[in-house]
Amino acid sequence: QKEVEQNSGPLSVPEGAIASLNCTYSDRGSQSFFWYRQYSGKSPELIMFIYSNGDKEDGRFTAQLNKASQYVSLLIRDSQPSDSATYLCAPGGGSQGNLIFGKGTKLSVKP
Amino acid sequence: DGGITQSPKYLFRKEGQNVTLSCEQNLNHDAMYWYRQDPGQGLRLIYYSQIVNDFQKGDIAEGYSVSREKKESFPLTVTSAQKNPTAFYLCASSDFGTSGSDEQFFGPGTRLTVL
Repeated sequence: QKEVEQNSGPLSVPEGAIASLNCTYSDRGSQSFFWYRQYSGKSPELIMFIYSNGDKEDGRFTAQLNKASQYVSLLIRDSQPSDSATYLCAPGGGSQGNLIFGKGTKLSVKP
Repeated sequence: DGGITQSPKYLFRKEGQNVTLSCEQNLNHDAMYWYRQDPGQGLRLIYYSQIVNDFQKGDIAEGYSVSREKKESFPLTVTSAQKNPTAFYLCASSDFGTSGSDEQFFGPGTRLTVL
C-alpha cells in the first residue's frame, strides 16, 4: 500500500512568519509531486508542483523535493490569514497516473 | 470558460435509494476521477477512467458504479449497497500525458447526506 504521511496539525503561525509543511511518501517510483490548498468546505486547488530534486519557487511559495529521502515540503513566506487552509501533498505514484493524497496539514495563520 | 462542473451541490438520499452525481468537464482531458472525502480525512479514490468506455476501480469502489460514455462526462452512482455514503464527493480530471502523472483539476464537489 502506497502511503503519504503529513502532520495533521493544526500548524499555527503568526502573520508574516514562514509556514513549513512537510510530507513523506513511500513510493520510490513517484516522479511528480503536487501541493493542493483546500479551504473549508471547498474543493482542492493546485498551488505548486515539482518534478526535480531541489527547490522551486513561485511567489511566496517554495516547494522542496528530496527523492533520496522521499521527502517533499512546502514553505509559505510572509504568511497571511488568507493562507489558513488545509494543504494536501500528492505524489504521482499510481500505475495509471493517479495521484495519491495525504490527509493534509491544517494551517492557521493568526493576525 | 473551461472547467469542471458537478451537480447537484447538495444531495439528500433516503436509505435504500440509488443516487447519481454528475460530473462534466470541457477541458478536453482524457482522464477523470472520483474521490470521496470524509471530515478531517484525505481524498480516497473511488473510480477513475483514462479513456471513453473504460474505467478502473480505486481503493473504495464497493457500493459505487460509474460510466464513461462521453469524454466530457463521468457520472457516479451511489447505490444502496454503500452503507455509509454521507461524504463530500469530488470529481477531477487530468490530461494524462506520457509522463504518467499530471496535475488534477477539481470540480466544486457534491455534499451527499443520507437522511
